[in-house]
Amino acid sequence: GESVGLHLPTLSVQEGDNSIINCAYSNSASDYFIWYKQESGKGPQFIIDIRSNMDKRQGQRVTVLLNKTVKHLSLQIAATQPGDSAVYFCAENTGGFKTIFGAGTRLFVKA
Amino acid sequence: DTAVSQTPKYLVTQMGNDKSIKCEQNLGHDTMYWYKQDSKKFLKIMFSYNNKELIINETVPNRFSPKSPDKAHLNLHINSLELGDSAVYFCASSQGEAGAHLRLTQYFGPGTRLTVL
Repeated sequence: GESVGLHLPTLSVQEGDNSIINCAYSNSASDYFIWYKQESGKGPQFIIDIRSNMDKRQGQRVTVLLNKTVKHLSLQIAATQPGDSAVYFCAENTGGFKTIFGAGTRLFVKA
Repeated sequence: DTAVSQTPKYLVTQMGNDKSIKCEQNLGHDTMYWYKQDSKKFLKIMFSYNNKELIINETVPNRFSPKSPDKAHLNLHINSLELGDSAVYFCASSQGEAGAHLRLTQYFGPGTRLTVL
């Protein structure tokens, strides 16, 4: 069956440290991957995306790494801030409009 | 100037009732979606419309019926509500007729928390 990501794990980091959120996907035909951030009481918000022909993409304080060999995706957040506390979802697309979301990772940032 | 809005934000109702959730986007997008998020935060696609045409219809009970009167609106009607329908429902939109980045970058509404008693 379809599955992206892990059951909701929690990551706790100290403010100022770097965070790494991991995601495993199962569909080797997926060609587009997206990370979303969901703050409490809000809808998910796009962070960064990456195509399958890339293995790294950088944004502002965020970097996404894609390892197609082991079907693994990671989101790195530099100098994590309290405002980064949220649930993070990886999502995959194999074409068309259907995007499959992973189970999410809750990030706690300790001040 | 909210991009994707949903009403109501909270909905508490009895089992067996019929209810509707409304969604509007002012982004000029032509593709809209409904997602269900359960208590474990798992987010699952239910429906998607592109230019008012249904393009995604997941294995959702037929008690759920989406309606898209125009490209800016996608409403969700639920008949005979059951306890298991309790969840947060998210509407989203994206620019469908575009490359992958725009097509798949979805803008989500704030969600509607449905509680069935």
